[in-house]
Amino acid sequence: DAGVIQSPRHEVTEMGQEVTLRCKPISGHNSLFWYRQTMMRGLELLIYFNNNVPIDDSGMPEDRFSAKMPNASFSTLKIQPSEPRDSAVYFCASRSGQGQRGRTDTQYFGPGTRLTVL
Amino acid sequence: GNSVTQMEGPVTLSEEAFLTINCTYTATGYPSLFWYVQYPGEGLQLLLKATKADDKGSNKGFEATYRKETTSFHLEKGSVQVSDSAVYFCALLNYGGSQGNLIFGKGTKLSVKP
Repeated sequence: DAGVIQSPRHEVTEMGQEVTLRCKPISGHNSLFWYRQTMMRGLELLIYFNNNVPIDDSGMPEDRFSAKMPNASFSTLKIQPSEPRDSAVYFCASRSGQGQRGRTDTQYFGPGTRLTVL
Repeated sequence: GNSVTQMEGPVTLSEEAFLTINCTYTATGYPSLFWYVQYPGEGLQLLLKATKADDKGSNKGFEATYRKETTSFHLEKGSVQVSDSAVYFCALLNYGGSQGNLIFGKGTKLSVKP
């Protein structure tokens, strides 16, 4: 299996531009997570999908951020307009099942997208 | 609420030294506990996990025991290698509320010198 795939790996953009990050989860996984990692705040959960439906988006910082999962094999995280404080590494992770104890509780992470907003 | 506290890094050790990274947690329920590792430029990988009290997770020479009485899950390795240099994250998974989302500590950076 190719694992979780994210694109692009690096993105440099200017303030005010729209940014779209993409994620392909592991085939057969039905839960998908978007995280943001910064030195100041560490690893933060932004949003979590189960069976393509957003379950918890309480971590999405503000209306400039939106995430979609149109099908089981693809998700996007969009920032519009982008700001310098959005600079971070964005990770996508996927998991099979509902996180049952000891069985489907492991999340598998992609390599991340390093976003720099100038 | 749920939270994870890890010892702050960076931790710098010589090769073959003994490693301990402390992790304590607060949880409203009965969580599972994890250690993830992040090598430079990569995403997080599961290192080991434990799903109930007194369980010991182990992998690649690393071990951690789920201690409910002290709410701890300290990571240990008897003899570290240069290739163990990475950032280590302790995490918990609680089973109420938001259907099992991971709560991460802030990470501990380990540097192993030859």
